Amino acid sequence: AQTVTQSQPEMSVQEAETVTLSCTYDTSESDYYLFWYKQPPSRQMILVIRQEAYKQQNATENRFSVNFQKAAKSFSLKISDSQLGDAAMYFCAYRMVPGNQFYFGTGTSLTVIP
Amino acid sequence: SQTIHQWPATLVQPVGSPLSLECTVEGTSNPNLYWYRQAAGRGLQLLFYSVGIGQISSEVPQNLSASRPQDRQFILSSKKLLLSDSGFYLCAWNRDSDNSPLHFGNGTRLTVT
Repeated sequence: AQTVTQSQPEMSVQEAETVTLSCTYDTSESDYYLFWYKQPPSRQMILVIRQEAYKQQNATENRFSVNFQKAAKSFSLKISDSQLGDAAMYFCAYRMVPGNQFYFGTGTSLTVIP
Repeated sequence: SQTIHQWPATLVQPVGSPLSLECTVEGTSNPNLYWYRQAAGRGLQLLFYSVGIGQISSEVPQNLSASRPQDRQFILSSKKLLLSDSGFYLCAWNRDSDNSPLHFGNGTRLTVT
């Protein structure tokens, strides 16, 4: 079974600074998708960024970028210029292709310090 | 645009009572539909997913069941709730394409007393 591991239960960052959240996954598949979701206190799950495993280029969405290391099965999220609104729980997720199941890590709680 | 509705937002039920949580999607057809449960410190656990009417796949054997009576309707049920069924339940959908992400509803907080 696929597993997704987020080894940092909690992280904190100073406002305007940069923080990196870690995620590793275990799979024997060569084709898959990876996602980062944000869950603020409202508990609404919001897609932050996605990465296709066949693409070597790291995905970027404004202040959010990933460092995708396929051989190491690592998918970290970098948040630049952190803002107070970035405070949330962040979940890493994996989707096998083909397949319909999405597997999530246990999350990292990010605190942004003003 | 597509929207997903999930209700109720909050529910308090006694042990042994039945459960019915409903989820509907608007603005798309033949979506994949999912039920997840979120327990504290344990991330999101996939409970059920459906690729079409009447087609339900169960990830974890448990006290719950799911049904899809219509294309864009997904229902999570239980005949008799257990204390361990307490949690935050999330419905989600995506398109039947490889790169389609999950889109989540606002969730239901279930407390079994």
